[in-house]
Amino acid sequence: ETGVTQTPRHLVMGMTNKKSLKCEQHLGHNAMYWYKQSAKKPLELMFVYSLEERVENNSVPSRFSPECPNSSHLFLHLHTLQPEDSALYLCASSQDAAGPQHFGDGTRLSIL
Amino acid sequence: GENVEQHPSTLSVQEGDSAVIKCTYSDSASNYFPWYKQELGKGPQLIIDIRSNVGEKKDQRIAVTLNKTAKHFSLHITETQPEDSAVYFCAASKSNYQLIWGAGTKLIIKP
Repeated sequence: ETGVTQTPRHLVMGMTNKKSLKCEQHLGHNAMYWYKQSAKKPLELMFVYSLEERVENNSVPSRFSPECPNSSHLFLHLHTLQPEDSALYLCASSQDAAGPQHFGDGTRLSIL
Repeated sequence: GENVEQHPSTLSVQEGDSAVIKCTYSDSASNYFPWYKQELGKGPQLIIDIRSNVGEKKDQRIAVTLNKTAKHFSLHITETQPEDSAVYFCAASKSNYQLIWGAGTKLIIKP
């Protein structure tokens, strides 16, 4: 496989459920990102990891919890989400802070 | 705060004609400007980028121009084809992991 792979592609969950989104990059990059994409809004950066250390956390509610066990894998753990959290969640990777970011195809999340 | 304005929000052009999408950024320290294409059901795909030490870059039918003084950059697509139909995003960065994104332009190519 090449590029950035996200699973699952679609997820429907209730507000009390716990689920996790997974991202894997096969590009040998050192940085990984989580973004939220909502309709008619610019992409919102949620978290950035570089060499498994978190370098950015843009005021994201604690119901979203990231985990980066190694430079190829990134998870987003979800707990007690709200309806307004329904969106497309995108993962990206880059070689470094200045490098182009390469995106996966996202997980479409729907909160009932 | 930092922001990127992108225009137009929707652009409809005849197949074979050119399309131009414009962005303006606010932070003069920005030095990296990528353009992404997003098709339905897919993630954004990098199509071209430019750094602040260059005024223009071209890749086949796609070109990007940068005016640092005016803090403007533009995407030019020539000889448009049906497969160019998508949403296009511009972004600006200070090479600090953070991309500041435009709101997107929906490009429609009419046959």
